[in-house]
Amino acid sequence: DQQVKQNSPSLSVQEGRISILNCDYTNSMFDYFLWYKKYPAEGPTFLISISSIKDKNEDGRFTVFLNKSAKHLSLHIVPSQPGDSAVYFCAASARSGGSQGNLIFGKGTKLSVKP
Amino acid sequence: DADVTQTPRNRITKTGKRIMLECSQTKGHDRMYWYRQDPGLGLRLIYYSFDVKDINKGEISDGYSVSRQAQAKFSLSLESAIPNQTALYFCATSDAPRETQYFGPGTRLLVL
Repeated sequence: DQQVKQNSPSLSVQEGRISILNCDYTNSMFDYFLWYKKYPAEGPTFLISISSIKDKNEDGRFTVFLNKSAKHLSLHIVPSQPGDSAVYFCAASARSGGSQGNLIFGKGTKLSVKP
Repeated sequence: DADVTQTPRNRITKTGKRIMLECSQTKGHDRMYWYRQDPGLGLRLIYYSFDVKDINKGEISDGYSVSRQAQAKFSLSLESAIPNQTALYFCATSDAPRETQYFGPGTRLLVL
């Protein structure tokens, strides 16, 4: 049973436009969420995170929104650039519940930004 | 130099062979992790270690074993490799629970 779901395997956007990547979760114990970006032949790299006490966190062109009631978060990239083309993983962790704070990852969404 | 290194980067082996993947880190982190990535399945946790004397199974530990030789080194072994262990393997480190994890470049393993 997937606890973190990224239902769109791929997304294609035009350079300069907004990219919106979505993530849903089922475990109500999750209280910390992260986005990682992965280029081919490289390991994932941390992009941005949000705690459940917030509903928005912004870092430059990247903004993560959290809707706790819907158990949904989204990553907005504005404006999108060709260098943003990568696989994006959503991850979540819980302070308690036996997971010891480990990250649970979604399956990833491949973003392609076309010039 | 990279903070988290993995060796080898690519490996082809045969069914039944024993293989070891190695991970080293210079970040000084206590926590280390081994993940596996399969197409369409994301990253799944194999084993994790909070310090040299603490080893824990993750979501998919069957068929794997690990050794934490030092704070900086965490090895993953496949005792008898099978074709469905063909995957990308990533090592990661973190400073504390729920902190950002830093990943190595990955090892691409093919079991024939």
